[in-house]
Amino acid sequence: GQQLNQSPQSMFIQEGEDVSMNCTSSSIFNTWLWYKQDPGEGPVLLIALYKAGELTSNGRLTAQFGITRKDSFLNISASIPSDVGIYFCAGQGNSGYALNFGKGTSLLVTP
Amino acid sequence: GAVVSQHPSWVICKSGTSVKIECRSLDFQATTMFWYRQFPKQSLMLMATSNEGSKATYEQGVEKDKFLINHASLTLSTLTVTSAHPEDSSFYICSARAPLAKNIQYFGAGTRLSVL
Repeated sequence: GQQLNQSPQSMFIQEGEDVSMNCTSSSIFNTWLWYKQDPGEGPVLLIALYKAGELTSNGRLTAQFGITRKDSFLNISASIPSDVGIYFCAGQGNSGYALNFGKGTSLLVTP
Repeated sequence: GAVVSQHPSWVICKSGTSVKIECRSLDFQATTMFWYRQFPKQSLMLMATSNEGSKATYEQGVEKDKFLINHASLTLSTLTVTSAHPEDSSFYICSARAPLAKNIQYFGAGTRLSVL
């Protein structure tokens, strides 16, 4: 599968700031997913998006499924130290349910 | 969300030995599980798709005789790294597809393999 274009690669912010990251693809996906991975752990699902244009929130997190079905963004509002980790976007097509991952965004939050 | 258990969480073995990693879906049945490999500071790389009751589908460049996959039940898939060598040292992660949860993949906690 293809690797998605995820940006930024890393972010270093202060506690309380908002964060935005995005992901683009050269092909269309039916589902966009955002995961968070802590060091030495597996990815944990944050938000799942199923329809073009869909905007979904999970606490301080908000994600959108792009209209073209080729992109998605994730926003984190009022960041806190426990938001530290690597965030991955993933797109799922209609062939075998395999996921195509972005390269990840490493987030560091200073108190 | 659905729970996927992966065991062991870390293993150290001698070169030439084989290591088995288990992936279990604890509260749902998974006809499809996936095995990934992750190098430091990199994304997840799909190794193979494990289908219950049939042969696994391997990604290009992944040796099926090196990485044996067995998916004998709807809740268990195993990955065996045969004749492990230091270059096989890596972080291996499994996921299980939840068909009753819009086919979302839920991940295990990963297995750190170190081959001496």
